[in-house]
Amino acid sequence: EAGVAQSPRYKIIEKRQSVAFWCNPISGHATLYWYQQILGQGPKLLIQFQNNGVVDDSQLPKDRFSAERLKGVDSTLKIQPAKLEDSAVYLCASSLVIEQYFGPGTRLTVT
Amino acid sequence: KNEVEQSPQNLTAQEGEFITINCSYSVGISALHWLQQHPGGGIVSLFMLSSGKKKHGRLIATINIQEKHSSLHITASHPRDSAVYICAVDSLGNEKLTFGTGTRLTIIP
Repeated sequence: EAGVAQSPRYKIIEKRQSVAFWCNPISGHATLYWYQQILGQGPKLLIQFQNNGVVDDSQLPKDRFSAERLKGVDSTLKIQPAKLEDSAVYLCASSLVIEQYFGPGTRLTVT
Repeated sequence: KNEVEQSPQNLTAQEGEFITINCSYSVGISALHWLQQHPGGGIVSLFMLSSGKKKHGRLIATINIQEKHSSLHITASHPRDSAVYICAVDSLGNEKLTFGTGTRLTIIP
């Protein structure tokens, strides 16, 4: 069974630029999560989708972050414009029931 | 105070040593997860526990629901066990994980 796929694996951008991350969850998993993990901290939930609907985006900085999950499968997370404090690993996870399966993450560095 | 606390934050040990990482939580949970994160960033799920004890190879995870405490043990540790180990809890089955800040384990050959 293929795992959660994410791309790119690494991205370096300058502040005020835009960036987008892509996630392909495990086939059949209805729930998809985006997490932000700042160095030395545990992951923080940014947004949770159930199929193509948003369940929780209370911690998503909506002035600069956006996410969509068209057709209830793949998802993209966008940051526009990026700030230095956005440097982090962005993790995507999917679940069928309770257990979440994580992707390899995208390491973003904002300079 | 964080809802999920881990100790120690950092742990360095010699190859072959028995390792224990602790996790305490303050909320009611339906399940507790132990996760492993290597330097590249990806996270692998090691265990999901709701009671008792689970074993997989050299890894053992235990949970005491009454005391709101879990431990992850590694027997005969090896340098490839070097990683960040993260404890996370499912608060009453709402599909949202609350994460600890992780324990960085380094095993020296």
